[in-house]
Amino acid sequence: GQNIDQPTEMTATEGAIVQINCTYQTSGFNGLFWYQQHAGEAPTFLSYNVLDGLEEKGRFSSFLSRSKGYSYLLLKELQMKDSASYLCAALNTGGFKTIFGAGTRLFVKA
Amino acid sequence: EAGVTQFPSHSVIEKGQTVTLRCDPISGHDNLYWYRRVMGKEIKFLLHFVKESKQDESGMPNNRFLAERTGGTYSTLKVQPAELEDSGVYFCASSPKGIEQFFGPGTRLTVL
Repeated sequence: GQNIDQPTEMTATEGAIVQINCTYQTSGFNGLFWYQQHAGEAPTFLSYNVLDGLEEKGRFSSFLSRSKGYSYLLLKELQMKDSASYLCAALNTGGFKTIFGAGTRLFVKA
Repeated sequence: EAGVTQFPSHSVIEKGQTVTLRCDPISGHDNLYWYRRVMGKEIKFLLHFVKESKQDESGMPNNRFLAERTGGTYSTLKVQPAELEDSGVYFCASSPKGIEQFFGPGTRLTVL
């Protein structure tokens, strides 16, 4: 079967660091996406990991462990505008089908 | 550069009626995807086009749904006849190489 698990909600303080975890089980795996989605808007691409390890992009970093079926998104120096849903998604083998998790709603408080 | 556009933004129809959703991808993007998000659930893959060819339509719920991409440019998704459970937000996304996908704003479909 195919399954992606991530926490439903998280709350963090402005200026802090937050880590959003994601575990996945897919019948075939190519790579792992993270998307950001503000309420009522379209998802926007944040990162795509194919190889194990950490990839850093400004305040956002994404980690992948293929052997453990595990990824996380790390957000540093949190800002109020980072309040959004963060979607973990797996791209299957062949690169045609993307399986999404339900998303983690992040609330950033002052 | 214009992003992915979808039309209409909202549609309210009655059960049994037909609705056609349209997606215009970013110019030059060969890959086009349709997704659906039912309230409270995750975004679910419906199908993937490369140019005018369907690469994977395993996510299409049933034969009431028909997607086309004639000429490999814009795409339509027709629901006929619509049922109550078809309500949700339908997203389209396009990609130049099949990795980074650019999403449209979605069409919110309500079936009464």
